[in-house]
Amino acid sequence: SQQGEEDPQALSIQEGENATMNCSYKTSINNLQWYRQNSGRGLVHLILIRSNEREKHSGRLRVTLDTSKKSSSLLITASRAADTASYFCATERQGAQKLVFGQGTRLTINP
Amino acid sequence: DTAVSQTPKYLVTQMGNDKSIKCEQNLGHDTMYWYKQDSKKFLKIMFSYNNKELIINETVPNRFSPKSPDKAHLNLHINSLELGDSAVYFCASSPQGHYGYTFGSGTRLTVV
Repeated sequence: SQQGEEDPQALSIQEGENATMNCSYKTSINNLQWYRQNSGRGLVHLILIRSNEREKHSGRLRVTLDTSKKSSSLLITASRAADTASYFCATERQGAQKLVFGQGTRLTINP
Repeated sequence: DTAVSQTPKYLVTQMGNDKSIKCEQNLGHDTMYWYKQDSKKFLKIMFSYNNKELIINETVPNRFSPKSPDKAHLNLHINSLELGDSAVYFCASSPQGHYGYTFGSGTRLTVV
């Protein structure tokens, strides 16, 4: 069954603005990961945050994790046209060697 | 280039045919996966192999048969293709432990 729910399903912003995407999940996890998928391409791993971490940064990306609320957010700062893509959160449950994906957020950056 | 490569990129075939998709990774990863992405972009795991051993089979019809001749290869054979099998199939790999996955570029399967 689907583990993650992402919000919003679609987001359109102007270049230079910040983009925030949210993910909620249902069960206890080992870690939560964010991936980007450009149209017609494979998924690219962006960042992994472990269940004992609360915040992680990578370049213009900032991920938070709140295990008490079973939710995560991905913030992309100073967005660029090249950030236009679908973004997926994925969770690795405790005791399971697989990633379960949310339905994704379609992000459009307008020049 | 270090990568997960899958072939073919596109596959158009008639209902009832049998087809295979091949996947190879040169990353030295221990675990390989097949995921299916439907028309609504929802990704669902199908199979997972660790060092050639099947560890996950997510209630996939037995028309789908994965084969892992060695830990660098995981192929997917599909018998008696149906219209509902049309989707994009992604191969992925990961190292031992809890790390991010590396995905192939996908195979778009269209059954007509």
